[in-house]
Parts: sequence; structure tokens; C-alpha cells
Amino acid sequence: QSALTQPASVSGSPGQSITISCTGTSSDVGGYNYVSWYQQCPGKAPKLMIYGVNKRPSGVSNRFSGSKSGNAASLTISGLQAEDEADYYCCSYAGSSTFVVFGGGTKLTVL
Amino acid sequence: QVQLQESGPGLVKPSQTLSLTCTVSGGSFSSGDYYWPWIRQPPGKGLEWIGYIYYSGSTYYNPSLKSRVTISVDTSKNQFSLKLSSVTAADTAVYYCARGFGKAFDIWGQGTMVTVSS
Repeated sequence: QSALTQPASVSGSPGQSITISCTGTSSDVGGYNYVSWYQQCPGKAPKLMIYGVNKRPSGVSNRFSGSKSGNAASLTISGLQAEDEADYYCCSYAGSSTFVVFGGGTKLTVL
Repeated sequence: QVQLQESGPGLVKPSQTLSLTCTVSGGSFSSGDYYWPWIRQPPGKGLEWIGYIYYSGSTYYNPSLKSRVTISVDTSKNQFSLKLSSVTAADTAVYYCARGFGKAFDIWGQGTMVTVSS
């Protein structure tokens, strides 16, 4: 059982917007502004999409955005494209001893 | 650009020690701005942080694996390594090395599958 809770799957049609939630506790998501999101295409390594709750690395499309409220974080993908179909994982800093915890992952299907 | 490549045996017997190496190319290995983690993913499952090391040699391990994990660095070869002892089938996974920056992992190796089986 993962420390952070994500929906197993979400879906959307091309052009639509979707949001993936990531629920933790005050010891991780709620306690720090260090939530990151990773995209993993089948058979590939994860790719950093969002860090520090809402920052995008260079080269990541501005269709990807992150936010946080209390103990829950969210990843929003706008203008959904077929290439966005992948698994998405959230990750949060959880203090110096635990360091980071991951969510169980969400499979995004583009209809 | 920075690239990471894992190497090591793809098959390990139960109770033995899993050993993997990550070679870093393209710069940044000696920078104190970064740290170098190992992360694994069992088949069909999520990600788990194993531990990380700084270029200086300081290490930090996942408490759940700490008793079995050793991460070391070879600065002359731009490599860092993972040893996981007393492996069981539960340690079967794709093992990734990555680059840590802040509290995120911004560059990943392609991953290497390690199966624990007799």
C-alpha cells in the first residue's frame, strides 16, 4: 500500500482537461511544498513533469500544471493529447528520515 | 546533457546480494547541488525510493531497507553503486538510478530489470 493515494485510472478525450489527485497527510503533502509528478510511458523510465508543487522543468509543456491544498495535491493536464497517455506518479517529501513517499500511480487513458 | 546508465546482473539467487552500478556521463556528477538516488519498481507496481548518496560519500537510506542496503560512490569513474543483501522474490524489480535535485528526481537512467530466482 502506497503512502500517497491516487486514483487508479482517469480518462479524457483529446482537447479536454483532466485532473489527477494525490492525497497524503500533514507529514508529507500537507507539511511541505515539495510535491513532484512523474510521467511514465510503457516500458520507459519516469520523467519529471512538475516539482515544488507547481514548477515545470525546462522542456515540459505548459499544458501540465500542479497545485496543492491542504493534504492533497493535483496534476492538471489541459488540451489533452494522445501522447499524454501514460502512468502518472506523485511524490512528496516526508521529512529527513523518510525522505520521500510515492503514490501508487494513475493510468491516464486518452479516449 | 547528463545521462545515467545502470549495469549489473539481471538474475540474482535468493539470499544473495544484488549489485548494480550507475555510470553518469555529461557532467554534474561532482556538483554539490545534486545527489544520486536509487529507485525501484516491482513489476506492475509503483515506485519505491531505496536510498541516495552525495558525491562526498554521505548516504541516506529508506528506513524499510536500511539494514540491507549499501550505496557507494567511485568518483574516479563517475559511478555510484547499489548493494542489496539477502534478497528475496520481493526484491524483483526494475532498478533505476537517477539524479536528485532539491526534493525531486530530474534525470533517470533507463532502468535495469533484476529478477530474484533460483
